Amino acid sequence: EAGVTQSPTHLIKTRGQQATLRCSPISGHTSVYWYQQALGLGLQFLLWYDEGEERNRGNFPPRFSGRQFPNYSSELNVNALELEDSALYLCASRTRGVYGYTFGSGTRLTVV
Amino acid sequence: GESVGLHLPTLSVQEGDNSIINCAYSNSASDYFIWYKQESGKGPQFIIDIRSNMDKRQGQRVTVLLNKTVKHLSLQIAATQPGDSAVYFCAEGDSGGGADGLTFGKGTHLIIQP
Repeated sequence: EAGVTQSPTHLIKTRGQQATLRCSPISGHTSVYWYQQALGLGLQFLLWYDEGEERNRGNFPPRFSGRQFPNYSSELNVNALELEDSALYLCASRTRGVYGYTFGSGTRLTVV
Repeated sequence: GESVGLHLPTLSVQEGDNSIINCAYSNSASDYFIWYKQESGKGPQFIIDIRSNMDKRQGQRVTVLLNKTVKHLSLQIAATQPGDSAVYFCAEGDSGGGADGLTFGKGTHLIIQP
């Protein structure tokens, strides 16, 4: 069974640009979570999608947005990039009745 | 929101010794706790979980202890091996999947000395 896959692995953007990160959950998983892992700050909750809808978002500005497609894959968009957006962005998925998340390997976003 | 914190950012142990990684949580409403292991360049990997109706759970070489009275969680790794070197995160949440997802601590870097 394929795990959670994220693309791209690495992404370098210039301040002010937009970044798009993608996530494919494990087959059968309907919930997708996005986390930001900045150096020294642990995992910060960004967004939760379930059944195609945004269920909740963390304490991040509106320029962090995303969506979930009918096949449950998800996209995270970060507009007007700032230097402090540089981080590892992790996607996790789960299915109903199972409480643990399965994480992907992440996308390393570097803003220069 | 409330956060889960760890007492030690770095823990160094001798190969073969037992490791104990501690975690304090503050949200008394949390009823589900997980430990994840994150190796360099990889995403967090599930190790073991425990629900609030339990105070101990054992896996292969790992044991999680939950003390709800003092809101404390610990991960014990028996006979630590070089492959155990990683950052360990505790996380809390509610069993329904949570409006806020899981709340993670900052992590403890476990270093294995030969």
